[in-house]
Amino acid sequence: GNSVTQMEGPVTLSEEAFLTINCTYTATGYPSLFWYVQYPGEGLQLLLKATKADDKGSNKGFEATYRKETTSFHLEKGSVQVSDSAVYFCARISNTGNQFYFGTGTSLTVIP
Amino acid sequence: SQTIHQWPATLVQPVGSPLSLECTVEGTSNPNLYWYRQAAGRGLQLLFYSVGIGQISSEVPQNLSASRPQDRQFILSSKKLLLSDSGFYLCAWSQGSGGTQYFGPGTRLLVL
Repeated sequence: GNSVTQMEGPVTLSEEAFLTINCTYTATGYPSLFWYVQYPGEGLQLLLKATKADDKGSNKGFEATYRKETTSFHLEKGSVQVSDSAVYFCARISNTGNQFYFGTGTSLTVIP
Repeated sequence: SQTIHQWPATLVQPVGSPLSLECTVEGTSNPNLYWYRQAAGRGLQLLFYSVGIGQISSEVPQNLSASRPQDRQFILSSKKLLLSDSGFYLCAWSQGSGGTQYFGPGTRLLVL
């Protein structure tokens, strides 16, 4: 089918720890891939995206590389901060371009 | 720049009452518009999307409906709310098909 699977949370890390949130997708072709972040009580904000294979999206110290061989788009950050505590959603665009398919979200809590 | 508004921010309604949530976009024309629901602790579920005035596609059968009376206005409605309609409702827009989706701040609905 056409779906997005991301690692289940919640994830709790100490400040300055390394973060990886796994995301894999299934699709025909190579759809654009996205990471969104949702801070408590707010809507989703685009964090980064990659529109073709081998692209690397980056923003605010976060990175994700579009890997077609493993159909993955894992989110990484070298040193997390307390302010990174949020829910992170991986998403891909549908073949028609009219829809996004979201993963179930991964809650991250960073403790001082 | 483009902005997206949703109101109300929070709503508490009794079971069986009607619902009307509004979403408006500024700074763009002929956007694709989307309604999502996020139940507590879950991911996003696409409810409706619209590619133009009066054009609504429904993704999930339910007691909700959507309308697009103007180019940049998207309304989510119900004639009779159910307890299961409680959740966080997010509106989003994109510039045409295949584009990044940008989310509004959301409306938190509690049905009692």
